[in-house]
Amino acid sequence: DVKVTQSSRYLVKRTGEKVFLECVQDMDHENMFWYRQDPGLGLRLIYFSYDVKMKEKGDIPEGYSVSREKKERFSLILESASTNQTSMYLCASSLPLTAGVTPLHFGNGTRLTVT
Amino acid sequence: GQQVMQIPQYQHVQEGEDFTTYCNSSTTLSNIQWYKQRPGGHPVFLIQLVKSGEVKKQKRLTFQFGEAKKNSSLHITATQTTDVGTYFCAGPSSGTYKYIFGTGTRLKVLA
Repeated sequence: DVKVTQSSRYLVKRTGEKVFLECVQDMDHENMFWYRQDPGLGLRLIYFSYDVKMKEKGDIPEGYSVSREKKERFSLILESASTNQTSMYLCASSLPLTAGVTPLHFGNGTRLTVT
Repeated sequence: GQQVMQIPQYQHVQEGEDFTTYCNSSTTLSNIQWYKQRPGGHPVFLIQLVKSGEVKKQKRLTFQFGEAKKNSSLHITATQTTDVGTYFCAGPSSGTYKYIFGTGTRLKVLA
């Protein structure tokens, strides 16, 4: 069974801090994704990666960066946290589109509060 | 950019009633996936549809992919309290890896 692990379930940070959210998957998946989830807005894609060291912007990349140095790990970085980045952050992984049925497997999420 | 809208945003039904959520994309999709998120949980994959006009069933759930591959629907027959949650559609625009999620439909089932 695929396991996607996010390092923290809850996180409280101060405005201006640099924040690292870590995600690790154990199924050798090529694709990894970072979403944020806010009420009424669904899941919005921040960044995704289809291979080690490869990354592409999603719909809301401003204020975020990512790192994928190893296949199993995808990190989301908030360079200077702001209160409007208070949200639930969800990491996911999947096989490439060419693999046929390619469900996204999600971690349990990190609820980040920026004060 | 690609947008995926779902209607309705909320739906309250009596147990035993049917429920339908509709998903509309601004661009053609390579495939459409559906997810269910229970309260306090994370989205869990339900199904993937690939072909134009495809219909798939999972027990009381019926999923349909539109002929133009830009819309989809999920229909639940005779809802149960275990169906409570938020249902999301998601799909990548043709030729991309970007899985864009719909805004979700939150279902509440009253016993």
